[in-house]
Amino acid sequence: AQKVTQAQTEISVVEKEDVTLDCVYETRDTTYYLFWYKQPPSGELVFLIRRNSFDEQNEISGRYSWNFQKSTSSFNFTITASQVVDSAVYFCALSETNTGGFKTIFGAGTRLFVKA
Amino acid sequence: EAGVTQFPSHSVIEKGQTVTLRCDPISGHDNLYWYRRVMGKEIKFLLHFVKESKQDESGMPNNRFLAERTGGTYSTLKVQPAELEDSGVYFCASSQAGPSYDEQFFGPGTRLTVL
Repeated sequence: AQKVTQAQTEISVVEKEDVTLDCVYETRDTTYYLFWYKQPPSGELVFLIRRNSFDEQNEISGRYSWNFQKSTSSFNFTITASQVVDSAVYFCALSETNTGGFKTIFGAGTRLFVKA
Repeated sequence: EAGVTQFPSHSVIEKGQTVTLRCDPISGHDNLYWYRRVMGKEIKFLLHFVKESKQDESGMPNNRFLAERTGGTYSTLKVQPAELEDSGVYFCASSQAGPSYDEQFFGPGTRLTVL
């Protein structure tokens, strides 16, 4: 079964702490795509990163970094030196083929609180 | 280039009323998807259009929900009659056609509140 699990429902940190959001996925496809999205209090989905299943290189973008490990089916997201503006719900997602295209399967989300 | 737009941004209705949500995909995108996030839960796939055809509607919760995409351009999602559990954020996404993956671009969502 195709599934995305974000075991952490809520995380609370103090500003400047580092925080890692976990994501574990299940899929039968050999070609798939993984994503992280941010949903701030305003409600829209903000795209953060996409990774395809053939690219296991880790990525760093400013304070954000992602660790993709196919061996453990994990795609974890780390925020370094967190800031109050990072407070949001973060969704990990998996896109896989369906008839005629792709559909995205989301995890339940991790709500991150960053306190000043 | 304009992104995916959704209207309205927020709708408040009473139980039993009808609401229609609209999504305008990026011009030229044949694929259009609807998703929703019910309060506190994960974002779930509802259905997928390829042009005007429903390709996959396995995620539609029940027959109170009707999605259309006449002419293969914009899409509407009607909820009739609305129930309390329909409250949530409804997202639309679009992508180009083709056998290989193309990125889905999400709209800002419509927040539906059923009282």
